[in-house]
Amino acid sequence: DADVTQTPRNRITKTGKRIMLECSQTKGHDRMYWYRQDPGLGLRLIYYSFDVKDINKGEISDGYSVSRQAQAKFSLSLESAIPNQTALYFCATSVGTGGRPDTQYFGPGTRLTVL
Amino acid sequence: QQPVQSPQAVILREGEDAVINCSSSKALYSVHWYRQKHGEAPVFLMILLKGGEQKGHEKISASFNEKKQQSSLYLTASQLSYSGTYFCGTEMYYGGSQGNLIFGKGTKLSVKP
Repeated sequence: DADVTQTPRNRITKTGKRIMLECSQTKGHDRMYWYRQDPGLGLRLIYYSFDVKDINKGEISDGYSVSRQAQAKFSLSLESAIPNQTALYFCATSVGTGGRPDTQYFGPGTRLTVL
Repeated sequence: QQPVQSPQAVILREGEDAVINCSSSKALYSVHWYRQKHGEAPVFLMILLKGGEQKGHEKISASFNEKKQQSSLYLTASQLSYSGTYFCGTEMYYGGSQGNLIFGKGTKLSVKP
């Protein structure tokens, strides 16, 4: 069984719709992340959470919001989707060692298309 | 602040060697390397820490030049399974780390038979 799962795996939606992407993990990690990947641009951090009560904006948080419902669940919402939010979205987790970044474990990704 | 990776792409024959570079304009605490195969999630390869400690992969090596804010990933005797896009993630020195990485745009490596 996968340690980090994302649902849905593919989603097509229309401009203006609200959409939620979900991430669950069974690794027992405290830290969770949402990244966006666009061709040729690498991975860009949207939001991250170091524990249930700690949520922080990343590089490109505009147009996105998140919810950490439990240690194991971290959801990403697009309040009003627009076409330039079409991308591959990855959730990741890490153990959390003091204040330092450590190995991140990525989910399989959600491919989102906004028409 | 995004690190710069070079080359952007490289094509190898099986058994050849390759070097992928990652450089930053900011002082770095650590450099992390990930590989992503087509259609899959990125997978951790290696962490290089300031001070020389290295954690990671058996068959792939790397260096971290703290003074130059650069890291290089060395793939020797490449195998078909090495194909993919390699990303470096940099942890910059703030005087207190935020605990996050900034990833480069990636280097696409293709190994041919």
